[in-house]
Amino acid sequence: GDSVTQMEGPVTLSEEAFLTINCTYTATGYPSLFWYVQYPGEGLQLLLKATKADDKGSNKGFEATYRKETTSFHLEKGSVQVSDSAVYFCALTSTGANNLFFGTGTRLTVIP
Amino acid sequence: DAGVTQSPTHLIKTRGQQVTLRCSPKSGHDTVSWYQQALGQGPQFIFQYYEEEERQRGNFPDRFSGHQFPNYSSELNVNALLLGDSALYLCASSQRTGWYEQYFGPGTRLTVT
Repeated sequence: GDSVTQMEGPVTLSEEAFLTINCTYTATGYPSLFWYVQYPGEGLQLLLKATKADDKGSNKGFEATYRKETTSFHLEKGSVQVSDSAVYFCALTSTGANNLFFGTGTRLTVIP
Repeated sequence: DAGVTQSPTHLIKTRGQQVTLRCSPKSGHDTVSWYQQALGQGPQFIFQYYEEEERQRGNFPDRFSGHQFPNYSSELNVNALLLGDSALYLCASSQRTGWYEQYFGPGTRLTVT
């Protein structure tokens, strides 16, 4: 079945450090891939997406590239800020499906 | 423009009771999905409604049921509550044509004692 495996957390970084959160997936067909972010006390927000192989999603300085050969969609940011502290979820939808499969989430804390 | 709203914010129920959670979608959206998020886990898909019918369902027992109203709002009902039903219940709305662009509400925290 479809699944998403995320890097275990929590992750603690100093401000301006480089961030990588690993995500790999298993899916039939050609899934679409997403990163969602959940800030404290708020609902999930779509951060970025990629719908086909080699697509790069980007938003707010975050990037992720859809790598079909390694079935990966790693999230990166060159310089994190305290305001980036949140829980990050990798997710996918399979071809023809209407629902999101989520990873377990990675909690990021950025300290000044 | 109001986003997705859910009520109540928090709820405490006793094992064996029944609960109803409510969701109003973002303006212009006609599709509502429900997810269960256990503590420390990612959300799990329960079911999706559009045109007032359940269109797809995840791996949840029949104790979980739902409804969508003509104004696109939705309810999630859970019968015979178990301790394991304690979780954050998330509602997400989308447009049928762009279904994967799902907008999430803040959730309802259900505690079963």
